[in-house]
Amino acid sequence: GAGVSQSPRYKVAKRGQDVALRCDPISGHVSLFWYQQALGQGPEFLTYFQNEAQLDKSGLPSDRFFAERPEGSVSTLKIQRTQQEDSAVYLCASSLATGRELFFGSGTQLSVL
Amino acid sequence: DQQVKQNSPSLSVQEGRISILNCDYTNSMFDYFLWYKKYPAEGPTFLISISSIKDKNEDGRFTVFLNKSAKHLSLHIVPSQPGDSAVYFCAASVWNTGNQFYFGTGTSLTVIP
Repeated sequence: GAGVSQSPRYKVAKRGQDVALRCDPISGHVSLFWYQQALGQGPEFLTYFQNEAQLDKSGLPSDRFFAERPEGSVSTLKIQRTQQEDSAVYLCASSLATGRELFFGSGTQLSVL
Repeated sequence: DQQVKQNSPSLSVQEGRISILNCDYTNSMFDYFLWYKKYPAEGPTFLISISSIKDKNEDGRFTVFLNKSAKHLSLHIVPSQPGDSAVYFCAASVWNTGNQFYFGTGTSLTVIP
């Protein structure tokens, strides 16, 4: 596609519910990143894939967060047993190669009630 | 611990004048820096980058300056236009391990017609 596509655009979840956020990167982009952006803050790194390999998951805040990219293209970020502090915009970004500029999707705004 | 800092949450500038956005970093290992622009309800879009081997990079109305000794970079927009009104984030990484970009908290620029 022309850009990074994320779905859903908005997600409202009840506390304790599991959610899955989808990211479709730019075709041919090897690297894929997930970022979390809280209100009034900059994006904070969650995890990074190179093709299907998850090379860095040091930013995932707890074991309730899980990301996968099984075929090296589409990625899913899953949050289990959501809590109110998980409310944020989740941004996906891809890049052609490691270290190059990131191209971001519009994000998924998650609200946990 | 915030490794990239943008100490000015907001900035207002008259149309046609220069906008100067500032960014400081603490990690001396950072050697690749980027500026992103973000409109409401959209993901950040890449604007301009600079590597540490340079002290200036220019692209049209946008120029980024890097002062490595001060661990400081700035983005100059000349002349400023109303369409430049957005939130600007600076980001930094270590090039050869560039799987993690660190973002500042953003500066909201308003260009007054």
